[in-house]
Amino acid sequence: EVQLVESGGGLIQPGGSLGLSCAASGFPFSSYAMSWVRQAPGKGLEWVSTISGSGGSTYYTNSVKGRFTISRDNSKNTLYLQMNSLRAEDSAVYYCAKRRLRLGELSLDFWGQGTLVTVSS
Amino acid sequence: EIVLTQSPGTLSLSPGERATLSCRASQSISSSYLAWYQQKPGQAPRLLIHGASSRATGVPDRFSGSGSGTDFTLTISRLEPEDFAVYYCQQETFGQGTKVEIK
Repeated sequence: EVQLVESGGGLIQPGGSLGLSCAASGFPFSSYAMSWVRQAPGKGLEWVSTISGSGGSTYYTNSVKGRFTISRDNSKNTLYLQMNSLRAEDSAVYYCAKRRLRLGELSLDFWGQGTLVTVSS
Repeated sequence: EIVLTQSPGTLSLSPGERATLSCRASQSISSSYLAWYQQKPGQAPRLLIHGASSRATGVPDRFSGSGSGTDFTLTISRLEPEDFAVYYCQQETFGQGTKVEIK
């Protein structure tokens, strides 16, 4: 059974840093690209970042480029998101999600339960 | 960056009715890259359709997807009570969502 469990969310002051983790199980982790998707309270889904299975390729939405870093440790089956210079508009539930296919599609077939990040003074 | 625009923003329908949701891309995209998700309050999104028209595992056949190029459609043939939710299309980025509410 595929499981994705996020952790690391919390309350952080503007300008601060926070690291999120996503522990994966139930599938060959290193074979699949993984993504972070966020959802501000009462708002829609926003793609944040994607990393290839090997970790060699990373992609970011424009609003987080230079501030957020996605990474993975395939030996630990864990995905990470390091968030620096946080802003109020980064407040959201952050979901990690697994790509459905190894190649050729962008759909996300399994999602974690999400972890809440609140940026406020 | 490709922008996905969904319409309508809200769809008010009764159980048993047909729902037609639209997703328009700012430029032509491969059908392989278009997916649809359902999200209910307090829950993570659920993949419904991948590759524009293929149902994900366990998705009832009242859900169908179609389209190509810049115009894609999600159709729910007969709404069941559990189908009232928010629906998103996705390429890498997401559309803004369509809420299907009970009339």
